[in-house]
Amino acid sequence: AQSVSQHNHHVILSEAASLELGCNYSYGGTVNLFWYVQYPGQHLQLLLKYFSGDPLVKGIKGFEAEFIKSKFSFNLRKPSVQWSDTAEYFCAVKGGGGGADGLTFGKGTHLIIQP
Amino acid sequence: DGGITQSPKYLFRKEGQNVTLSCEQNLNHDAMYWYRQDPGQGLRLIYYSQIVNDFQKGDIAEGYSVSREKKESFPLTVTSAQKNPTAFYLCASSISDRGVGALHFGNGTRLTVT
Repeated sequence: AQSVSQHNHHVILSEAASLELGCNYSYGGTVNLFWYVQYPGQHLQLLLKYFSGDPLVKGIKGFEAEFIKSKFSFNLRKPSVQWSDTAEYFCAVKGGGGGADGLTFGKGTHLIIQP
Repeated sequence: DGGITQSPKYLFRKEGQNVTLSCEQNLNHDAMYWYRQDPGQGLRLIYYSQIVNDFQKGDIAEGYSVSREKKESFPLTVTSAQKNPTAFYLCASSISDRGVGALHFGNGTRLTVT
């Protein structure tokens, strides 16, 4: 079955620092890739998604992610973080490997931005 | 406004009792899902439904049951057979599971069983 690995469970950065959150998945083939964000007290919402085409995708709030097929990776980046980016970030994959449909989620990365 | 409504927000039950969590959507989405979120575990798929009157087990279906009698509704029952039911439960929907649509999530129900 497909599995998703997020490298860091907790990340603490200062405002204006650059951010990169790692995400790797286990099975290749045709996959759809997502990053979701959960701000404190709010529901999960879509940050960005990759279906096909340009492997560099841009999402909301200045986030972007790059799909590298050869590395089975879909890392999330932001050049300069803000205090309001404090949240939990989840990488998710649809497709590839066996198992149930729906999305397979990573365990999440808790990002704290210090003012 | 379109969205997904989960109720209640907090739910408390005694061990041995079944409990049903509500999920309603007015997005006209075909596919609906139930996930369980535990600290440090991410989201794990319990059940999903691609269409009315049809549903499939996810990765952790044991101790849970669902029904999909209406397109808008996908209630989840946590039975007494679920060994560790205390968790945060998230309902989601998408236009179609076979498509490439992203998931829309509800605000979740936090279930505590003592």
